[in-house]
Amino acid sequence: EIVLTQSPGTLSLSPGERATLSCRASQSVSRNYLAWYQQKPGQPPRLFMYGASTRATGIPDRFSGSGSGTDFTLTISRLEPEDFAVYYCQQYGSSPWTFGQGAKVEIK
Amino acid sequence: QVQLVESGGTVVQPGRSLRLSCAASGFTFRSYAMHWVRQAPGKGLEWVAVISYDASNKYNIDSVKGRFTISRDNSKNMLYLQMNSLRPEDTAVYYCARDGARPYWSGYIDEWGQGTLVTVSS
Repeated sequence: EIVLTQSPGTLSLSPGERATLSCRASQSVSRNYLAWYQQKPGQPPRLFMYGASTRATGIPDRFSGSGSGTDFTLTISRLEPEDFAVYYCQQYGSSPWTFGQGAKVEIK
Repeated sequence: QVQLVESGGTVVQPGRSLRLSCAASGFTFRSYAMHWVRQAPGKGLEWVAVISYDASNKYNIDSVKGRFTISRDNSKNMLYLQMNSLRPEDTAVYYCARDGARPYWSGYIDEWGQGTLVTVSS
């Protein structure tokens, strides 16, 4: 089973700042099958990125994904108030599909 | 628009059984693989099970093998999760979710229901 480790656990930033979230896999993620989800309190997750760098429908271009192999990054170029939430990475290249433990982006 | 509405969550004693249901609408249900994903209170996400678009293939995590069974009824646009021999560690919000590709599963999820809470406690 591939273990995903997200860092930092919490990111304290101000609106307008840049956020960089890391997701490191315990072994190489096949075909860069890495997705990112956003979750707000009391809501289900929402798909933001798949295939490491493809934005899901309706996701603004201030969000970008990158990486390959074992190291992946989600970058938010300029934080908007609605971006403060928890973000999860997920690998779907090898079964069982697994999620990272989550990373919280909070308002500083 | 896509809607996934889960039901069946409740408080249940350890060792008992429960069946969760998910009513799908707003898309061609029979064309998509479907998942169950759970989230323990205050914790992260855990993928539980997947079923192919035609129910010919199923897969789940080791911790629920032999206890949980995923199934679907394409004539009714319904997804199910039969949970037997429930344990306290199965306590979680269970999400019904649609696979991001069709018809064969990819593994990423593009639509989620609101979830239903299952609490396993004596």
